[in-house]
Amino acid sequence: DVVMTQSPLSLPVTLGQPASISCKSSQSLVHRDGYTYFHWFHQRPGQSPRRLIYLVSNRDSGVPDRFSGSGSGPDFTLKISRVEAEDVGVYYCMQGTHWPWTFGQGTKVEIK
Amino acid sequence: EVQLLESGGGLVQPGESLRLSCAASGFTFSIHWMGWVRQAPGKGPEWVATIKEDGSEKYYVDSVKGRFIISRDNAKNSLYLQMDRLRAEDTAMYHCARVVGHSGDHWGQGSRVTVSS
Repeated sequence: DVVMTQSPLSLPVTLGQPASISCKSSQSLVHRDGYTYFHWFHQRPGQSPRRLIYLVSNRDSGVPDRFSGSGSGPDFTLKISRVEAEDVGVYYCMQGTHWPWTFGQGTKVEIK
Repeated sequence: EVQLLESGGGLVQPGESLRLSCAASGFTFSIHWMGWVRQAPGKGPEWVATIKEDGSEKYYVDSVKGRFIISRDNAKNSLYLQMDRLRAEDTAMYHCARVVGHSGDHWGQGSRVTVSS
């Protein structure tokens, strides 16, 4: 199975400051159809995960533009330009290129 | 608005069975792959199974192969997960998810499954 390794696992942030989370895949995530099925999710306490970014760098509908995704494999990055209070929770990277689709361990973001 | 509503979870003993259901609304169910994702307490998500639009292709994570069956009824806009020979390690919140771009773009709130003697 493809292993997705996130860092850091815990990220204390200051409101209004930038934040960055990294994710590294153990295999190439380029699918035979040419797409890179790499995504980012955010989970607030007590809620289901919500997809933020799909196909490396595309924001889902309703996701603020302070969130951006980048990378070309095996290293990917999620950046928050200015952290807001509602951004706390756990962020997961996920690959959908190789079955079984797998998630990273999660990065817990909290306000300092 | 896309809505996914799971039901059927509960407390069962090891070796018993449960059938989860997911009622979908707000989108054309029959043209989407669908899947089940579970999340054990305090753990990250794990994609359990996924099924093609017409049910002709199904994929399972190794840990549930031979015990779980994913199915769908497009006429009823419903997704199912039959879970047999349940184990303690199957304890988790089970979410139904619409698959877009090889991931879940919408998730339900989940149905809790607890396997314990």
